[in-house]
Amino acid sequence: GEDVEQSLFLSVREGDSSVINCTYTDSSSTYLYWYKQEPGAGLQLLTYIFSNMDMKQDQRLTVLLNKKDKHLSLRIADTQTGDSAIYFCAESIQGGATNKLIFGTGTLLAVQP
Amino acid sequence: DTAVSQTPKYLVTQMGNDKSIKCEQNLGHDTMYWYKQDSKKFLKIMFSYNNKELIINETVPNRFSPKSPDKAHLNLHINSLELGDSAVYFCASSHPAGLQYFGPGTRLTVT
Repeated sequence: GEDVEQSLFLSVREGDSSVINCTYTDSSSTYLYWYKQEPGAGLQLLTYIFSNMDMKQDQRLTVLLNKKDKHLSLRIADTQTGDSAIYFCAESIQGGATNKLIFGTGTLLAVQP
Repeated sequence: DTAVSQTPKYLVTQMGNDKSIKCEQNLGHDTMYWYKQDSKKFLKIMFSYNNKELIINETVPNRFSPKSPDKAHLNLHINSLELGDSAVYFCASSHPAGLQYFGPGTRLTVT
């Protein structure tokens, strides 16, 4: 089946690291994504990782992928108040000539000053 | 330089009406999508088109009819609007099986 799960809420203090976790079910996913959605705004592609990679680092963001456990995480170093948003993980599943994204429920990250 | 744009941004209408949402991308992508985000923020794919051809139709009621006049445009027409259609509708585009880039969304409110 197609199912992506995330914890609903995470609260951290400014300057701390945040870790948002995600589990997925489809082992044939080619890409795994993290999107950020600020209140009333659209979906911003934050980062992604190919399924044949274990880790990807991009400035303050680190993505870890454990394919055996179908577990994806996003670490944000030195979290700032501007990082407060909903974070969605998504797996990409082939659907004919295109692919479709199966999204998690989203994790609301609240950064306390 | 907006990559994926949608109009309108907000749409308020009454039950039973017919409305359209337009989407345009200037990224040169062949593939476009419609996603729906409900009041609980849950996101689900509705349709995908590749080169103006419908590829994915995820058990969406046939009151929803996508139309792709060319590769850069994918419009969504909704007939006989119902209260449950209230949501944010996102358009996205990509190269086939590539990274998907989303538009800003259209917030539809049906009263």
